[in-house]
Amino acid sequence: GAGVSQSPSNKVTEKGKDVELRCDPISGHTALYWYRQSLGQGLEFLIYFQGNSAPDKSGLPSDRFSAERTGGSVSTLTIQRTQQEDSAVYLCASMGGGRGSIYFGEGSWLTVV
Amino acid sequence: EDQVTQSPEALRLQEGESSSLNCSYTVSGLRGLFWYRQDPGKGPEFLFTLYSAGEEKEKERLKATLTKKESFLHITAPKPEDSATYLCAVQSHGSSNTGKLIFGQGTTLQVKP
Repeated sequence: GAGVSQSPSNKVTEKGKDVELRCDPISGHTALYWYRQSLGQGLEFLIYFQGNSAPDKSGLPSDRFSAERTGGSVSTLTIQRTQQEDSAVYLCASMGGGRGSIYFGEGSWLTVV
Repeated sequence: EDQVTQSPEALRLQEGESSSLNCSYTVSGLRGLFWYRQDPGKGPEFLFTLYSAGEEKEKERLKATLTKKESFLHITAPKPEDSATYLCAVQSHGSSNTGKLIFGQGTTLQVKP
């Protein structure tokens, strides 16, 4: 597709369940980001992938959060044993080239009940 | 530590009343400064990237400028459809920064007809 695609767009899950959020970046983009935005808050960095380099995981809030990027394209963000404070919009973005523009998807809205 | 501060937090304008939004930053070597527009329930929409002091970019009623300490987003003769939250973010060359964007808290603009 032309833009960054995220799925699901909405997810309601029970506390303690695991969830997986998917991101399809713009074709050819080598860099991929995950951010979290809680209601009325700013964007919080989670993790950054760039090509074959080791990802920058410095923003992951706990060991319940993990992400992988397969084949340098699609990425999955996994949250294990979800808690109510994990409720937020999870945004994915991608960038092509060293000085490219960074484009965001529409986000995955996660509600933990 | 890289920091981004946006002001004001909220701005109300009458249609046609021009104004400016401010983004002050401190980084260990600026790689790029990004402006985004975010509508409620949507992902951030890319507007501009600025790379060096003195650079300016324009798009319709928006003009972004950059100095060594801050960036301004000038809105000329705004229309109600310009109402949104405007986000500023920086990407630095610092050793602790692998390419992630550091976001400000945003300025919420409301333009009344």
